[in-house]
Amino acid sequence: DIQMTQSPSSLSASVGDRVTITCRASQGLAGYLSWYQHKPGRAPKLLIYAASSLHSGVPSRFSGSGSGTDFTLTIINLQPEDSATYYCQQTYSTPLTFGGGTKVEIK
Amino acid sequence: QIQLVQSGAEVKKPGSSVKVYCKASGGAFRSYAISWVRQAPGQGLEWMGGIIPVFGSATYAQRFQGRVTITTDASTSTAYMDLSGLRSEDTAFYYCARAKHGLLIDTTYYEFWGQGTLVTVSS
Repeated sequence: DIQMTQSPSSLSASVGDRVTITCRASQGLAGYLSWYQHKPGRAPKLLIYAASSLHSGVPSRFSGSGSGTDFTLTIINLQPEDSATYYCQQTYSTPLTFGGGTKVEIK
Repeated sequence: QIQLVQSGAEVKKPGSSVKVYCKASGGAFRSYAISWVRQAPGQGLEWMGGIIPVFGSATYAQRFQGRVTITTDASTSTAYMDLSGLRSEDTAFYYCARAKHGLLIDTTYYEFWGQGTLVTVSS
């Protein structure tokens, strides 16, 4: 199974800040890496697919980068509605696996 | 627009089974994989397994093998997740999600999600 290591597990930032979340895979993913935003009691929301492609309707302050085994989600100009837990997911091979999540808190 | 609507919350006894459904509308059903993902309280997201309806056979995460059965009914565009031998640790929200690309469980991404079904296991 491909292990996904996500960091940090939580962070606290202010409105307007830039936030970076990293995800490392135990083997290369050929770019099959997605990022989701998850709020309690809601369905996960796709933000980024194929490592760096912004999903339709997602604000441009979200961006993804990386290749091989190392990937990054960046949020610039952090907004109050960005308070959530963020997960990376590899879809290179089954079993599909998620990172442990990063809880983003707004100060 | 693709919509996935899941069945309502369930309360089950330890040792029993639960069957959650996920009804799709707004697009083709047979060729697109449905995966099931769960989130237990205080835990992260966990993929349980997936199925491509036209192929019929499901792929499962090892830790659920033998306890979970994923099936589909193409006549009603509905996917089912049946989890047996329930224990308290199975208390979780269960989500279905549909793959973006046809005939693939992996090497795709999951754009559409159901609203989630809370399954509570308690004596």
